Amino acid sequence: SQTIHQWPATLVQPVGSPLSLECTVEGTSNPNLYWYRQAAGRGLQLLFYSVGIGQISSEVPQNLSASRPQDRQFILSSKKLLLSDSGFYLCAWSKGGSSYEQYFGPGTRLTVT
Amino acid sequence: AQSVTQLDSQVPVFEEAPVELRCNYSSSVSVYLFWYVQYPNQGLQLLLKYLSGSTLVESINGFEAEFNKSQTSFHLRKPSVHISDTAEYFCAVSEADKLIFGTGTRLQVFP
Repeated sequence: SQTIHQWPATLVQPVGSPLSLECTVEGTSNPNLYWYRQAAGRGLQLLFYSVGIGQISSEVPQNLSASRPQDRQFILSSKKLLLSDSGFYLCAWSKGGSSYEQYFGPGTRLTVT
Repeated sequence: AQSVTQLDSQVPVFEEAPVELRCNYSSSVSVYLFWYVQYPNQGLQLLLKYLSGSTLVESINGFEAEFNKSQTSFHLRKPSVHISDTAEYFCAVSEADKLIFGTGTRLQVFP
């Protein structure tokens, strides 16, 4: 069976510090991968998605970036965090092709102070 | 581009009462539709999906949703809710390699 991992589970970082969140998927190959942000009391905002290694699509211009160094690894980064980057970050995967359902990780709670 | 509207941001209901969470999407072209549930501080879990075939789809915990193409709706229903159904519910529609999510409906079940 497939599993998706995210770490860390919680993170408190000062404004201006760098960020690296990691997501890995097990039990499948060549998945589509997604990063979402969920601000307090708000819905899901798609940040980035990837249909293959080195292929990253950005949905929202901001100070975040994403990379996919390996088939089942998806990393969300920032060089300098802003207060507005606080939120709940969710990684998800799908099989791609004609399969649209996405499966979500447990999330990372980021607080920028 | 697709959009999803969940008109009710919060739905309070008493235990054992029926509930309907509304979802409308923007396009009448062929789409796939999903409902996800999110419990506090957790990721989203797939509740049910419509891909093709019967317009009424069911989940294992008693929820059902009906695809209505003419009204571009995919409302979620449960005939009798339980305290444990308290959660945030998100409707989503497919678009290319992505899902477009609604803003969510907070279902609060009271004893």
